[in-house]
Amino acid sequence: AQSVTQPDIHITVSEGASLELRCNYSYGATPYLFWYVQSPGQGLQLLLKYFSGDTLVQGIKGFEAEFKRSQSSFNLRKPSVHWSDAAEYFCAVGNNAGNMLTFGGGTRLMVKP
Amino acid sequence: AAGVIQSPRHLIKEKRETATLKCYPIPRHDTVYWYQQGPGQDPQFLISFYEKMQSDKGSIPDRFSAQQFSDYHSELNMSSLELGDSALYFCASSFGGQKDTQYFGPGTRLTVL
Repeated sequence: AQSVTQPDIHITVSEGASLELRCNYSYGATPYLFWYVQSPGQGLQLLLKYFSGDTLVQGIKGFEAEFKRSQSSFNLRKPSVHWSDAAEYFCAVGNNAGNMLTFGGGTRLMVKP
Repeated sequence: AAGVIQSPRHLIKEKRETATLKCYPIPRHDTVYWYQQGPGQDPQFLISFYEKMQSDKGSIPDRFSAQQFSDYHSELNMSSLELGDSALYFCASSFGGQKDTQYFGPGTRLTVL
């Protein structure tokens, strides 16, 4: 069975500082990996995805993520955080058929002025 | 660009009542997914449909049923509602049924009193 772990429940960073959100997955085959962002009471917005190919993927809003098979990780990064980035971030893995997404527990990001 | 539409956005029901949630996928998307997100929880996969046939099933209670219609919209029917059914219900859509990105709607917030 597939699973996703986001070790950090809450992270606080200062505006302008760099950010890294951790994601570890468990999946038997080549995973399909996603990062979504959710603002309070809102839907899930796709930030980026990895299906195959280049292990460093670029997303929207200046985010990027790196797939590391040896570490079963897909960490999300941003070089300079903006106050508007404060939200909950979910890492997800898709099953082989691409049907069912399994989400991690989420990381709530707070940004200090 | 058109997005996934969900209706209603908010719904309040009493225990033991029934509820019907509707989802209209992005135009030309043929696959619909339903997720349930409890308070402070990550989204949990319920069920999915591809070309009007059930394609995958997750932790959907027997009291719930869903279907996809000829115009690809989907409805989630929930009966004998319980307090624990209070949650945000997301619909997502994709094209092709496999290995593709799921785009999420804004969700329906169901409150059971």
